Amino acid sequence: EVQLVESGGGLVQPGRSLRLSCVASGSTLDDYAMHWVRQGPGKALEWVSNISWSGGNIAYADSVKGRFTISRDNAKNSLYLQMNSLRAEDTALYYCVKEINGFAHWGQGTLVTVSS
Amino acid sequence: EIVLTQSPGTLSLSPGDTATLSCRASQSVSRSYLAWYQQKPGQAPRLLIYGTSSRATGIPDRFSGSGSGTDFTLTIRRLEPEDFAVYYCQQYGTSLQYTFGQGTNLEIK
Repeated sequence: EVQLVESGGGLVQPGRSLRLSCVASGSTLDDYAMHWVRQGPGKALEWVSNISWSGGNIAYADSVKGRFTISRDNAKNSLYLQMNSLRAEDTALYYCVKEINGFAHWGQGTLVTVSS
Repeated sequence: EIVLTQSPGTLSLSPGDTATLSCRASQSVSRSYLAWYQQKPGQAPRLLIYGTSSRATGIPDRFSGSGSGTDFTLTIRRLEPEDFAVYYCQQYGTSLQYTFGQGTNLEIK
């Protein structure tokens, strides 16, 4: 069974940067698209970004376009999210997700809090 | 961007009842690209249904999905206590943009 473990969250001031990581175990990532999905406190799920298995296709939600960068290292079974120019509204639990016929596998999330 | 609107916002039912959850899209969604998720407090979401009507691994047949075009439905028969949770629909694959509905809270009456 695949396990996804996110890390890198924390408290950060507005305008600063943070890099999230997600490591997979129990299965490789390299055949599948991967996503970041976030959930603000008491809010609905919000898709953030995705990257194809090869890294050749990438997409972002409008709310993060130009500020966030997704990447992956299949050799390390890892997914990343570089978050720059962070805003208060980016405060959320960030999930790493593996797409197999829908968002089949989710990590437990890493919490990002943007506050001064 | 496709907007998904779920109704009702909150559904109050009793164990043994049948729950019918609705998801309406602002434009037509391919049947292949509509999914449903369940989320319990403090847990990550769990995939229930993909491709409108296909159950994910390990999902009991009490859960079923249907619909087409802009109207989709998740039906949960013979509600069990563990089914009370928040449910989200999602469209995926269209123009590499993915969206979730705002969720339906299924609560015990």
